[in-house]
Amino acid sequence: ETGVTQTPRHLVMGMTNKKSLKCEQHLGHNAMYWYKQSAKKPLELMFVYSLEERVENNSVPSRFSPECPNSSHLFLHLHTLQPEDSALYLCASSQDYRGQETQYFGPGTRLLVL
Amino acid sequence: GQNIDQPTEMTATEGAIVQINCTYQTSGFNGLFWYQQHAGEAPTFLSYNVLDGLEEKGRFSSFLSRSKGYSYLLLKELQMKDSASYLCAVGPNDYKLSFGAGTTVTVRA
Repeated sequence: ETGVTQTPRHLVMGMTNKKSLKCEQHLGHNAMYWYKQSAKKPLELMFVYSLEERVENNSVPSRFSPECPNSSHLFLHLHTLQPEDSALYLCASSQDYRGQETQYFGPGTRLLVL
Repeated sequence: GQNIDQPTEMTATEGAIVQINCTYQTSGFNGLFWYQQHAGEAPTFLSYNVLDGLEEKGRFSSFLSRSKGYSYLLLKELQMKDSASYLCAVGPNDYKLSFGAGTTVTVRA
């Protein structure tokens, strides 16, 4: 069974649309993360959750709204996005968010904003 | 701020050895990770170094020198399937990881 899954794998949306990205981890981890990966740029940490509590909001615009209903699921709600938001959005999980735990990544959602 | 540098691209021949260097300047240090990412796929964990020295894991080895802010990933007996992007990531503290932009390795027959 795949450790971290993400849906959809690809998404095209207009600037006025509202959509949601979903992440699910089957590893029994307590921490989950959202990253943005743009071409030729380093991964950028967006949000971190530990046991459904947000512990990090890395100066992300409010048009990105995370939700963590339980420790296995993480959502990223998108609204009124800009073309520069087109990127690969990666979800990851780790056993805990304290200490240097290995993070396990999902395959990502490739987002294109028109 | 955090600064992680690694080469953008490298090319090598099947069966050869390639060394990917990573230098870092971070406000703290709590370990260095290497991840492999094939095109369109998830980054997958390769190695973790927190103490100086060489960690060997099959065809892959990772080296760390904390005093020099330097690491390398060594890929031996290269195979076509090793063509991928290799990401260096440093944990300055706790859970945060600062990533380099990645090194794209192309293995040619």
